[in-house]
Amino acid sequence: EAGVTQFPSHSVIEKGQTVTLRCDPISGHDNLYWYRRVMGKEIKFLLHFVKESKQDESGMPNNRFLAERTGGTYSTLKVQPAELEDSGVYFCASSQDGGRGNTEAFFGQGTRLTVV
Amino acid sequence: GDSVTQMEGPVTLSEEAFLTINCTYTATGYPSLFWYVQYPGEGLQLLLKATKADDKGSNKGFEATYRKETTSFHLEKGSVQVSDSAVYFCALKNSGYALNFGKGTSLLVTP
Repeated sequence: EAGVTQFPSHSVIEKGQTVTLRCDPISGHDNLYWYRRVMGKEIKFLLHFVKESKQDESGMPNNRFLAERTGGTYSTLKVQPAELEDSGVYFCASSQDGGRGNTEAFFGQGTRLTVV
Repeated sequence: GDSVTQMEGPVTLSEEAFLTINCTYTATGYPSLFWYVQYPGEGLQLLLKATKADDKGSNKGFEATYRKETTSFHLEKGSVQVSDSAVYFCALKNSGYALNFGKGTSLLVTP
């Protein structure tokens, strides 16, 4: 069974440009999450999809970030325009149910974004 | 709000040494606690978990006990190997869906 897959693995863009990250969850997982780790900091929750609906987007830093999950399958996270402080590793995770309590979320390998 | 504090790294140990990575948490209610590991070039993997007080999670020789009285979930291994070199993250999940992570502790094990 394929795990959570993220594309690209690395991205280097200039300040002001647009970048789109993609996440393919495990097949059959309705719940999809985005997290971000800025260098030396905690991994922070960004948002949570249940199928194609945004369940919780309280962690999204500002309106330069737009996440979508068309058809409830893969998800994209667009940053437009990118700023220097957006640099970090973006993780995607998926889980079979709502993830409350002890249900395991499976993570992708992350996309390392560098804004120069 | 909920938070996790774990010891700063990097931690460097010789092979077969004893490992402890400290983790304490602040949370209301009764969270579930987790240790995740990220090996070089890979994604986060669940290492072990505990869902209630006094539970002990264990996997691959690693152990951690959920101590509510000290709000701690310290990770231990009796004899580390070079292959254990990775970044270790302590995390909690409370009533919501999101995981709250610590900053991560980098472990380097030398032969």
